[in-house]
Amino acid sequence: SAVISQKPSRDICQRGTSLTIQCQVDSQVTMMFWYRQQPGQSLTLIATANQGSEATYESGFVIDKFPISRPNLTFSTLTVSNMSPEDSSIYLCSVKTSGGANNEQFFGPGTRLTVL
Amino acid sequence: AQTVTQSQPEMSVQEAETVTLSCTYDTSESDYYLFWYKQPPSRQMILVIRQEAYKQQNATENRFSVNFQKAAKSFSLKISDSQLGDAAMYFCAYCPGGGADGLTFGKGTHLIIQP
Repeated sequence: SAVISQKPSRDICQRGTSLTIQCQVDSQVTMMFWYRQQPGQSLTLIATANQGSEATYESGFVIDKFPISRPNLTFSTLTVSNMSPEDSSIYLCSVKTSGGANNEQFFGPGTRLTVL
Repeated sequence: AQTVTQSQPEMSVQEAETVTLSCTYDTSESDYYLFWYKQPPSRQMILVIRQEAYKQQNATENRFSVNFQKAAKSFSLKISDSQLGDAAMYFCAYCPGGGADGLTFGKGTHLIIQP
């Protein structure tokens, strides 16, 4: 498994501003992903964070709104840009480890974002 | 596109009893993996059990077991001897084989344990 931390754990932001969420893993991992969990809903994949290249976004998510960086094999950031109240969600980072069996994904503790 | 369906928004079970949570999925892939995740109020996602599609044998992890019916595209979770700590949201998830893809989740089932 992997130990994953996210910063901040929660934040309250004003509409129109941006927030960058950090994801740090205690070991090198092959794949990193970002998910969104809207209030009372399931998790939806935002994008795959690719090391050294542009992230791969799922349908409905765009780079201008959710820019992602992954400078190395243990760290990634997700920015939520020009926020509106509809962006209020939990944002979760997850990873697959190179030694992981059977496509297991491990999740960070999440970042709870409230936009006023 | 793959879809995952959990038809039970909420389930309730008496402590020490057995409960089964349902999940169906749709895919055209032949190589894939299925998972059950638990999300307690702390919101931490915890992997409960996984199943490889190429394995006919149903996965088991202590009190948790699955009934995997590949032809029916069904993947139910059975929790035996339910405990108060099992109370949580349970999400069924799908991942194609190959290792490069994220997970597709169902809407979740809220499991209540009655003392």
